[in-house]
Amino acid sequence: ETGVTQTPRHLVMGMTNKKSLKCEQHLGHNAMYWYKQSAKKPLELMFVYNFKEQTENNSVPSRFSPECPNSSHLFLHLHTLQPEDSALYLCASSQDQSAWALGEYGYTFGSGTRLTVV
Amino acid sequence: AQKITQTQPGMFVQEKEAVTLDCTYDTSDPSYGLFWYKQPSSGEMIFLIYQGSYDQQNATEGRYSLNFQKARKSANLVISASQLGDSAMYFCAMRRQNFVFGPGTRLSVLP
Repeated sequence: ETGVTQTPRHLVMGMTNKKSLKCEQHLGHNAMYWYKQSAKKPLELMFVYNFKEQTENNSVPSRFSPECPNSSHLFLHLHTLQPEDSALYLCASSQDQSAWALGEYGYTFGSGTRLTVV
Repeated sequence: AQKITQTQPGMFVQEKEAVTLDCTYDTSDPSYGLFWYKQPSSGEMIFLIYQGSYDQQNATEGRYSLNFQKARKSANLVISASQLGDSAMYFCAMRRQNFVFGPGTRLSVLP
């Protein structure tokens, strides 16, 4: 148990489906992140929320829609995805986005949702 | 732009021996943090060790140590006394505000 919980662990969806990924943390962190990990590619930052406000959207297609209702929960809503969107989607949290300057010791990651688009 | 390079796609090491995983980075920022993460087949990213750019001493955490050579912009991870459970992907990462990850090295520990 890492402190960051992602559900579901595995998801298979058709290109016309709508689904949502959920991330939850009770570490008292104020920043939450979505990363995409495709085969043979480095982790790609998708979205950042700091104190519930979206601070970064890394040129992510609109078929991915994030939502952060509070500092403990982060969602990624999916619709009309493409097969190339199949990947491991990792959620992470940290004290806050600027905490690196204080020597904060990195992110806490969830176990990820392995998404397959058929 | 920040960039992380890990030149070893895969590494093998015999159980109980030490292994070094290479990492070089590129940044023009004077202040940054360097991290290593382990990703087993379960998928989660596990924090291993941190080195701040102004830290004078190399970081150590149990069997993990970070060989930090700032002038060469390298931050190699040394794992001593390898165990079978060390078999995983290892990612070097740098943080200014957000993380930039390297492509990873797959370590296989042989019995």
